[in-house]
Amino acid sequence: GQNIDQPTEMTATEGAIVQINCTYQTSGFNGLFWYQQHAGEAPTFLSYNVLDGLEEKGRFSSFLSRSKGYSYLLLKELQMKDSASYLCAVNGTDKLIFGTGTRLQVFP
Amino acid sequence: KAGVTQTPRYLIKTRGQQVTLSCSPISGHRSVSWYQQTPGQGLQFLFEYFSETQRNKGNFPGRFSGRQFSNSRSEMNVSTLELGDSALYLCASSPGGSGGDNEQFFGPGTRLTVL
Repeated sequence: GQNIDQPTEMTATEGAIVQINCTYQTSGFNGLFWYQQHAGEAPTFLSYNVLDGLEEKGRFSSFLSRSKGYSYLLLKELQMKDSASYLCAVNGTDKLIFGTGTRLQVFP
Repeated sequence: KAGVTQTPRYLIKTRGQQVTLSCSPISGHRSVSWYQQTPGQGLQFLFEYFSETQRNKGNFPGRFSGRQFSNSRSEMNVSTLELGDSALYLCASSPGGSGGDNEQFFGPGTRLTVL
């Protein structure tokens, strides 16, 4: 079967660092996406990993290990506006498969 | 470029009715995917259309159908609505090549409530 696991909820403090993990088991792998979704809004693209390693983009970084079926999204210098759901999605054999998302709450 | 647009944004229907949702992709994008999002299930893939043909399909009953027109605009139809069909329906477009970094751009969604 195909499965993507993420923690349901996380909390963190403004200015801190948070790591959101994602493990996956899919038939086929053509890359892994991270999306951010604020309440009541559409998901927006954050990052894409297809090779092992770390991709850094400003305050956000994403890591991938294909052999372990594992990725994480690292958010640094957290801001209140980072409170949102973070969706891990694997580009499988023929479609994009989403995890249920991690709801992150940032407190002052 | 204009983003992905979806109409209507909100819809209230009763059980047994049918509904048609519309999606206009980003200009030049040939792939349109539809997703159902509910609090408990997250984003569930419905189907993908590419060049007017259904390319992929998720695990939804036949009451859910779609089509794509020659201008890449897509419609999704749900017949014989059930209470459990209440959800946010998201449309996403991408350039459409197979595999690779086919980043999907999402529309604002249609919030469907079935009473």
